Amino acid sequence: AQSVTQPDIHITVSEGASLELRCNYSYGATPYLFWYVQSPGQGLQLLLKYFSGDTLVQGIKGFEAEFKRSQSSFNLRKPSVHWSDAAEYFCAVGAGNTPLVFGKGTRLSVIA
Amino acid sequence: SAVISQKPSRDICQRGTSLTIQCQVDSQVTMMFWYRQQPGQSLTLIATANQGSEATYESGFVIDKFPISRPNLTFSTLTVSNMSPEDSSIYLCSVDQPGLALQETQYFGPGTRLLVL
Repeated sequence: AQSVTQPDIHITVSEGASLELRCNYSYGATPYLFWYVQSPGQGLQLLLKYFSGDTLVQGIKGFEAEFKRSQSSFNLRKPSVHWSDAAEYFCAVGAGNTPLVFGKGTRLSVIA
Repeated sequence: SAVISQKPSRDICQRGTSLTIQCQVDSQVTMMFWYRQQPGQSLTLIATANQGSEATYESGFVIDKFPISRPNLTFSTLTVSNMSPEDSSIYLCSVDQPGLALQETQYFGPGTRLLVL
């Protein structure tokens, strides 16, 4: 069965520090992988996606993610976090034309 | 990317009543989905709204409780029937939109925040 694990429920980082949010997936076929962000009181916004090709994908707001098939991981990174990045981050897996399976999310807090 | 709107954006309802949530997309899409996000939780798929046929429900969700309509390729409704406080959640509409090489990406509406008293 398809599943997504986000091991960290809550992460706190200082503004300007680097960030890495972990995501591990279980999927029977070649996965499509996504990261979404949900700001307080808002809907979900797509940050980036991986379908094939280059395993390092760039997204909006300075985020990037790296697909590592051997580790079944798709970790999200940002070199320097801004206070406005405080939000809930969801990793998801799918395979085109099927609904996504979401992880439980990681809440990011940013401190001065 | 598709632009998705939902109505209402939020509502407070009494138990035992029903609420219909509308989802409108600015372009024709094949796949539309309804998700539920309970407080502090991740997203759970309720059903896939199929144009011209009955919705396909996930385990734990039934048509009598969550009837869905999909009259055309740009619109869908989800009704939360006979509500109880446990139905208090954010309800999100989502669509699949093909991109390059038929790679599809799901986009989400802003959500409907429902509180049942």
